[in-house]
Parts: sequence; structure tokens; C-alpha cells
Amino acid sequence: GEDVEQSLFLSVREGDSSVINCTYTDSSSTYLYWYKQEPGAGLQLLTYIFSNMDMKQDQRLTVLLNKKDKHLSLRIADTQTGDSAIYFCAESAAGNTGKLIFGQGTTLQVKP
Amino acid sequence: EADIYQTPRYLVIGTGKKITLECSQTMGHDKMYWYQQDPGMELHLIHYSYGVNSTEKGDLSSESTVSRIRTEHFPLTLESARPSHTSQYLCASSRALSNQPQHFGDGTRLSIL
Repeated sequence: GEDVEQSLFLSVREGDSSVINCTYTDSSSTYLYWYKQEPGAGLQLLTYIFSNMDMKQDQRLTVLLNKKDKHLSLRIADTQTGDSAIYFCAESAAGNTGKLIFGQGTTLQVKP
Repeated sequence: EADIYQTPRYLVIGTGKKITLECSQTMGHDKMYWYQQDPGMELHLIHYSYGVNSTEKGDLSSESTVSRIRTEHFPLTLESARPSHTSQYLCASSRALSNQPQHFGDGTRLSIL
């Protein structure tokens, strides 16, 4: 079945780069997504990448997709304390349901 | 920016009460979703809708029910709340085209005493 795996925790110092990794199982996924969740809030769509792309950059965010290994990463450059949150990777489920399969989320802790 | 609203943001209520969690979106999205999420944990899809008069069960079994009488409105109801229903409930919506990103509300944090 479809599954998305993420490491649970990442700690970095302010100003460093953060790299959050994700693996997925469904090779037919058309889009892959990164969401950010701050405490007590809903999910905020950060960025998404189409499966025929290898990389997408948006300001401090860089998404890398290795389709052969089914590996997705999110790099945050110059990480700030405001980046502290839970980051969820998601893949689009098969069919036209619009459903997303979410990973468990990676908690990013940014130390001053 | 997405415009999807959930009310109430927080609800503390006693066991046995009937509860309705409201979700409205102003983007004209056809598809809407309800997720259940324990704090800091993964999301579980409990209901979704393709459009008006369409409702489907999600991947996680839930005692809640939903309705979709209007495109913009997708309320979730618990007929008799129990402590096991304590959780955060997130509503989302997306356009009808396949593989469109979902946009989320801020959630309702529900506590059943």
C-alpha cells in the first residue's frame, strides 16, 4: 500500500541549513507536497513538486526529488527560529480522489 | 492564499453532548476533507467529499458523520461525544482537478470531559 516515512526530529542552530527527508512508496504519485504546522494551527502548504521535476527552489526552500529512490527532501537555507515547526511530507494518492498520504511529520527545532 | 474557516477553535464539553464542528471555504473548491490529528502526530483522513451531496468515509474509522448540502460548507457532527473523541480536527479543501494541493483551516481542538 501507499506509505510515507519521515524522520521524527531534527535540531539545528539558527543560520544553519536544515534538510528534512522523506521516502514514499507509490511510484505513480504525480505530486509531492511539503506542509508546515506550527503549534495549535492547521497545515500551511509550503511548496509542492511535480513528479517529472528533480528540483524546485522557492526563496529559502529547495525541494529535491529522487524518483528512482523515491526520496524527497526539503532544504531550508539560513534557518530561523520562526522555522521551528512540524513539517509534513505528503504524496497524492492513486486515483482522482484528491486524497493525500501524509508522513508522520518531522519536528524541526531551531536553537538560537 | 486559502480561505477556509473552522469554528470553534477550541471546545471543551461533557460526555454525551451532541457536537457540530463547522468548516467553510470561500474558494469554490469542490473537494473537502476532514482529518483527525492527535497533538504532534500524523493526520488521519476520516471523511471526504467530492462535491455537493457526496460524502465518503476516510481511511480511519470514525463515529462522526458529515454532510455536504452546499459547496462551501462541510460540517462534522458527533451525536454523543466521548472522551475518546478528544483530538484536533482539521478541515481542508482542494479544487476538483486531480492532484491539486489541499488547503487547511486552523483546526478545532476538541476536549471531551
